[in-house]
Amino acid sequence: EVQLVESGGGVVQPGGSLRLSCAASGFTSDDSAMHWVRQAPGKGLEWVSVVGGDGNIFYADSMKGRFTISRDNSKNSLYLEMNNLRTEDTALYYCAEENDAFDIWGQGTMVTVSS
Amino acid sequence: QAGLTQPPSVSKGLRQTATLTCTGNSNNIGNQGAAWLQQHQGHPPKLLSYRNNNRPSGISERFSASRSGNTASLTITGLQPEDEADYYCSAWDSSLSAWVFGGGTKLTVL
Repeated sequence: EVQLVESGGGVVQPGGSLRLSCAASGFTSDDSAMHWVRQAPGKGLEWVSVVGGDGNIFYADSMKGRFTISRDNSKNSLYLEMNNLRTEDTALYYCAEENDAFDIWGQGTMVTVSS
Repeated sequence: QAGLTQPPSVSKGLRQTATLTCTGNSNNIGNQGAAWLQQHQGHPPKLLSYRNNNRPSGISERFSASRSGNTASLTITGLQPEDEADYYCSAWDSSLSAWVFGGGTKLTVL
């Protein structure tokens, strides 16, 4: 069974940067798309970005130009480089594997943007 | 980025049937169908159905999804206390080249 574990969250000042990681254990497929989805405290789910098994990458509009998604299949890992962070980026960031939809989720890593 | 529209809350009695709705447009639900996820407080979401009415293994038959035009629905029969949770719909939007989520529906089982 695939398990996803996110790391790299923390407290950062506005304008700062963070790099999130998501490590997959168990059977994973290089063909699966991998997503980042975030959830601000007390709010709903917000899709951030996806990298397909074919390498195609898409971002939500508000993340374009600031966030960069990448994957390293040799390490079964997914990454999210976040730059120029804003207070509204404060959220729990989940990674999710897509076989049919958002099939498998990690527990999330918290990012707090505050001065 | 335009999202999907869900009612903020639904309340139903124990053992009753709840139907949750999710409205999009022809670029998302009307084109690709919807996925439904359940999230209990303090836990990550769990996939309940995808592409309208396909259930992952282990998901109870009490959960069934459907679509009519640009609106997706999730029907939960025989409501149990553990069904009390937040429910989200999601779909790929071909015009935005992005996934979109609904704002979520909080289901209360009375």
